[in-house]
This record gives sequence, C-alpha cells and structure tokens, in this order.
Amino acid sequence: QVQLQESGPGLVKPSETLSLTCAVSGYSISSGYYWGWIRQPPGKGLEWIGSIYHSGSTYYNPSLKSRVTISVDTSKNQFSLKLSSVTAADTAVYYCARCIVVVTAITYYFDYWGQGTLVTVSS
Amino acid sequence: SYELTQPPSVSVSPGQTARITCSGDALPKQYAYWYQQKPGQAPVLVIYKDSERPSGIPERFSGSSSGTTVTLTISGVQAEDEADYYCQSADSSGTSAVFGGGTQLTVL
Repeated sequence: QVQLQESGPGLVKPSETLSLTCAVSGYSISSGYYWGWIRQPPGKGLEWIGSIYHSGSTYYNPSLKSRVTISVDTSKNQFSLKLSSVTAADTAVYYCARCIVVVTAITYYFDYWGQGTLVTVSS
Repeated sequence: SYELTQPPSVSVSPGQTARITCSGDALPKQYAYWYQQKPGQAPVLVIYKDSERPSGIPERFSGSSSGTTVTLTISGVQAEDEADYYCQSADSSGTSAVFGGGTQLTVL
C-alpha cells in the first residue's frame, strides 16, 4: 500500500520560504509516476501546485510558477516543495499525492494522498 | 486560466439520486476525475477517466460525460456520502491539473 507523509514547519513568516517534504513508503519513487503537491486554504477548494517525475521533470501551476520549486530525492524516497515570498494567502493545508500523468493519453489525476499538513503564514 | 465550474451545493434525501455537474471547455478533450472529501480528511478518488470506479468505491458512485459537462451520480444516497466533491481535469495542453470549486453534498 502506497503511503505519503508530509512534514515541515507549521508556521512561516511573511516574505520567507515555505519548505515541505513528502516521504513515500510502499513504493519506490524511482520506479515511475509523477508526484505532486496540492493545497487547500481553510474553508476553500483544492489548488494544484505542481508535479515532478522521478527524473526531475516538472509541471507547475502557471499562477504559482515564479515562486515554486519542486525537487525529488530518490535516495531518500521523498520529494519536496519550496514556495518563496509567502503571504497570508499561502496559508493552507498542503497535501502531497501520487500523480498518474500520461499527456498523450489525456490522463492526469491523483490516486494516493498524504493526510495533509497545515501551514500558517503569520508574523 | 482554465476553470472547471461546479454548483456550490446539492441536497438530497437518503435513498434518492444525487447528481453533481462540472463544466469546462477542455472536457471534451480531457478525462475528468472526481474526489470525495470529508471534514478533516484528505480527498479520496471516487471516479477516474470520466466513468471508471477505483477498487473499493461503492457501485452507487458513477460518472458520465457529455460535451463540456461531466456528471457524478450517486444512486441511493446514504448519510455517509455527505461530503464535499471536487471534479478535476487537465488543461488543453495536458500538463496542468485543474480542480473545480467543489460541491457540498448535503443528505437531508
């Protein structure tokens, strides 16, 4: 059974960089699939942040692209998110998930999710 | 930017059929997916590729597609189905995932 677990600071100051890590168990990242980040502000809907392949190839949400970096560490079987210059609008529950992405087969969805971690941006 | 549009809320009585729609210009060219999210929990995939049901999802959940609209149908709604439901697809390039705004299903 694939399991994902997010970790990182629960409080980040405005203008600083939010950093989260997603540890994957039950599946080797280097075996394939994309791996992604999704966030959900309190009381609001889901927003896709970006996805990364085990080779390091990435797709980012155009609205966040200038501030987002997603990286992968296959040796630790984990991937990470960095979001720079955060504001209160970046306060959200951040989820990591496994992505099924096949552009040529018009397939793009998330089948396994972490439990999510709340990150609050406040001074 | 590409958007998927869902009704904010749907209400049904137990045992009846709930239908939740999702509209988007790229839906004729991209598959749609549906997630169920209960309070304090992560989303769970209930429908993939418009109408396929993952293992472990009850048969009362089904999906369909027609033009620019996809529909999640829950037949014989149960109290445990009360949740937020999100549609998701990709933009026309197939490289960006997009979520609808979510629909709160209330079981009266």
